[in-house]
Amino acid sequence: DSGVTQTPKHLITATGQRVTLRCSPRSGDLSVYWYQQSLDQGLQFLIHYYNGEERAKGNILERFSAQQFPDLHSELNLSSLELGDSALYFCASSVGDFNTEAFFGQGTRLTVV
Amino acid sequence: DAKTTQPPSMDCAEGRAANLPCNHSTISGNEYVYWYRQIHSQGPQYIIHGLKNNETNEMASLIITEDRKSSTLILPHATLRDTAVYYCIVRVLRGSNYKLTFGKGTLLTVNP
Repeated sequence: DSGVTQTPKHLITATGQRVTLRCSPRSGDLSVYWYQQSLDQGLQFLIHYYNGEERAKGNILERFSAQQFPDLHSELNLSSLELGDSALYFCASSVGDFNTEAFFGQGTRLTVV
Repeated sequence: DAKTTQPPSMDCAEGRAANLPCNHSTISGNEYVYWYRQIHSQGPQYIIHGLKNNETNEMASLIITEDRKSSTLILPHATLRDTAVYYCIVRVLRGSNYKLTFGKGTLLTVNP
């Protein structure tokens, strides 16, 4: 158990819908990261928040957005969902910036039908 | 942009050293190399990272060539539980932002 909690574990939704994925980081960790893993694209970095502020942005689509709240939990919002958005979405957290060890949650498996 | 290239698969005998290579020939001077691994579809696990000096921790050693164009992750005494996909990642700094370039990963199979 990494200490990072992601909910829900599984999500099935229809195209065009909007979903919210939630991440609770390890106690004391200020950084939260979101990653997407699909069969055709592999692992991709989406976004990094540090203490409530956006720190770095990767290959995150405009239909996707994220935020980190004052209690440091984070949400990833995916809208206008397409079949190609079906993937495993991982959240990770670390104490400091990227050069500190990151711990990953077990992921949310999103299936768009 | 920096690119990373890894062999798709490797085998290793249990108890022997596993040496996993990564080519990152376009890396720049301030770009770090990171290694993570992923067992089945579990969340990836951090292993080690480095800039230009060799690094060692309780899990592995990272050897970076002097020209920084390639690196090798060494698991000194591989066990069956080390069977996983190993990812080599380069972090490219872009002002206050950064970009991560992932390799496609190497499936390491440790055999009894």
